[in-house]
Amino acid sequence: EDQVTQSPEALRLQEGESSSLNCSYTVSGLRGLFWYRQDPGKGPEFLFTLYSAGEEKEKERLKATLTKKESFLHITAPKPEDSATYLCAVRRNNAGNMLTFGGGTRLMVKP
Amino acid sequence: KAGVTQTPRYLIKTRGQQVTLSCSPISGHRSVSWYQQTPGQGLQFLFEYFSETQRNKGNFPGRFSGRQFSNSRSEMNVSTLELGDSALYLCASSPGTGVYEQYFGPGTRLTVT
Repeated sequence: EDQVTQSPEALRLQEGESSSLNCSYTVSGLRGLFWYRQDPGKGPEFLFTLYSAGEEKEKERLKATLTKKESFLHITAPKPEDSATYLCAVRRNNAGNMLTFGGGTRLMVKP
Repeated sequence: KAGVTQTPRYLIKTRGQQVTLSCSPISGHRSVSWYQQTPGQGLQFLFEYFSETQRNKGNFPGRFSGRQFSNSRSEMNVSTLELGDSALYLCASSPGTGVYEQYFGPGTRLTVT
């Protein structure tokens, strides 16, 4: 059974204080690891897809990396508008578009 | 390009009733997946439709069902509603079942009283 665990569950940062969110996964035949951002009352917003260990992707203050067992979402010099819940999900071979999600990390950035 | 749309956005139903939720995917997308999001269980996969066929199904009881039309629009139905069905129901669309990202709609907030 696929499993995705995110840590920490909640993270408070001061504006400008860089940090990392962790996503540990167990999946038989990874066919993509996804990061989403979700604001309260809204649907998840796609951020990144990573496919193989060693891959990295960046977007503004966010950088996602992938190893064989975990992924990190690095947030550099965050701003209050980065406050949201960040979700990690995996898709495995022969499972179509079915995603297994982690519980998310709720990020709060104080000015 | 318009995003994924879901209707209605909010719904209040009584235990025992049934409900139908609708999802219109991004134009050109043929795969539609449904997810349930609750504070306790997080985001859980319900089912996926591609070209009017159910391709995958999550671990939910048979009260949860869905279908997809020839224009890729999808509906999900929940019969005999229970209090525990209160949740945010999210629809996600993708061009196909290859290596594609999925884009989520705003969700339908269902409250069962």
